[in-house]
Amino acid sequence: IAGITQAPTSQILAAGRRMTLRCTQDMRHNAMYWYRQDLGLGLRLIHYSNTAGTTGKGEVPDGYSVSRANTDDFPLTLASAVPSQTSVYFCASSAWGGTGQPQHFGDGTRLSIL
Amino acid sequence: DQQVKQNSPSLSVQEGRISILNCDYTNSMFDYFLWYKKYPAEGPTFLISISSIKDKNEDGRFTVFLNKSAKHLSLHIVPSQPGDSAVYFCAASLSGNTGKLIFGQGTTLQVKP
Repeated sequence: IAGITQAPTSQILAAGRRMTLRCTQDMRHNAMYWYRQDLGLGLRLIHYSNTAGTTGKGEVPDGYSVSRANTDDFPLTLASAVPSQTSVYFCASSAWGGTGQPQHFGDGTRLSIL
Repeated sequence: DQQVKQNSPSLSVQEGRISILNCDYTNSMFDYFLWYKKYPAEGPTFLISISSIKDKNEDGRFTVFLNKSAKHLSLHIVPSQPGDSAVYFCAASLSGNTGKLIFGQGTTLQVKP
């Protein structure tokens, strides 16, 4: 089934550790996004990529990095995790990075930093 | 500063009745608005969108209304069904080619049988 696959589904991590959240899509979408969802705040954009080889910062980029080596994969890395990064992380994609484009979401990674 | 606000955290309606979910925004440069539905342990799924040059868009049981002068939009679900019980997010998109979305906090809809 075409869509977005995120891994792991959930993770408990010690503060200070490095963690990479994986995201793969098979829809050949050009644009990809990472969001975090926190209670009472909705979803907030962390980083995005409009095409392979390019990335950009969203609303809350600090403490996170991304890369886009190819069309299908868009990993999110926490270089040194802190408790405030405890959240549910969603990866999304859209056909292209234009305004109004519907984004398709994965089922999320629940991350707890202790 | 929340540019997109959903001021009602929750809403409960009876099956068959109308559900109205509201969303307010502050940035007049938003040119598209989208509604997403989210079930527990799943990612959000796209429902319906509206361009800022329109005031209404309809898709089956779902209709979105946009009032630009009031910077307000609403999602109407008629008739409501128990399967509509979920969290609904309003999102806004700025003109340009980034595709970035700004989401509201979400409203939890419960449709009672």
